[in-house]
Amino acid sequence: AQRVTQPEKLLSVFKGAPVELKCNYSYSGSPELFWYVQYSRQRLQLLLRHISRESIKGFTADLNKGETSFHLKKPFAQEEDSAMYYCALTSGGSYIPTFGRGTSLIVHP
Amino acid sequence: DAMVIQNPRYQVTQFGKPVTLSCSQTLNHNVMYWYQQKSSQAPKLLFHYYDKDFNNEADTPDNFQSRRPNTSFCFLDIRSPGLGDAAMYLCATSRGTGGLTEAFFGQGTRLTVV
Repeated sequence: AQRVTQPEKLLSVFKGAPVELKCNYSYSGSPELFWYVQYSRQRLQLLLRHISRESIKGFTADLNKGETSFHLKKPFAQEEDSAMYYCALTSGGSYIPTFGRGTSLIVHP
Repeated sequence: DAMVIQNPRYQVTQFGKPVTLSCSQTLNHNVMYWYQQKSSQAPKLLFHYYDKDFNNEADTPDNFQSRRPNTSFCFLDIRSPGLGDAAMYLCATSRGTGGLTEAFFGQGTRLTVV
């Protein structure tokens, strides 16, 4: 069975500090990994997917198959980055995402 | 804007009184999902439709049912809500074209059982 683990419920940093939101997964095959974000009073929405290898709003994430991780990083956090972040996985060609429990990021001024 | 709309945003129901949550989409996506999310927990998939085909998760209680009368609408029926069913219910859609597809979410319905 596939599983997504986000070990931190809460991450609190100051503006300008680097941010790393951790995500580990368990799946024996080749997964597709995603990060979704939910800003206050807004819907859950896609932030980025590993296959795109893109930087969105300054965030990047690298899939490390050896460590089964897909950590989300940003070198300089901004106050508007404060949100809930969910790591998600699809596998085996399935379109159904499995989510982690989420990490609340708070960026203080 | 094409989107996923859930109604109502907040629903209060009495213990044991049937309740229906609704979801509509203008994205014309094949797949519609219902997730249950409790505080500080991952969204948990209850079931999903691929077109008209209903797919129930093995551990979804029988108390939860769903209907999809057409492409645009999907309903979650809770036949006899218990206190443990209080949660945020998320509807989502996707194209269902494989593992790279993005899921689009509604804003959720927060269910309170009194």
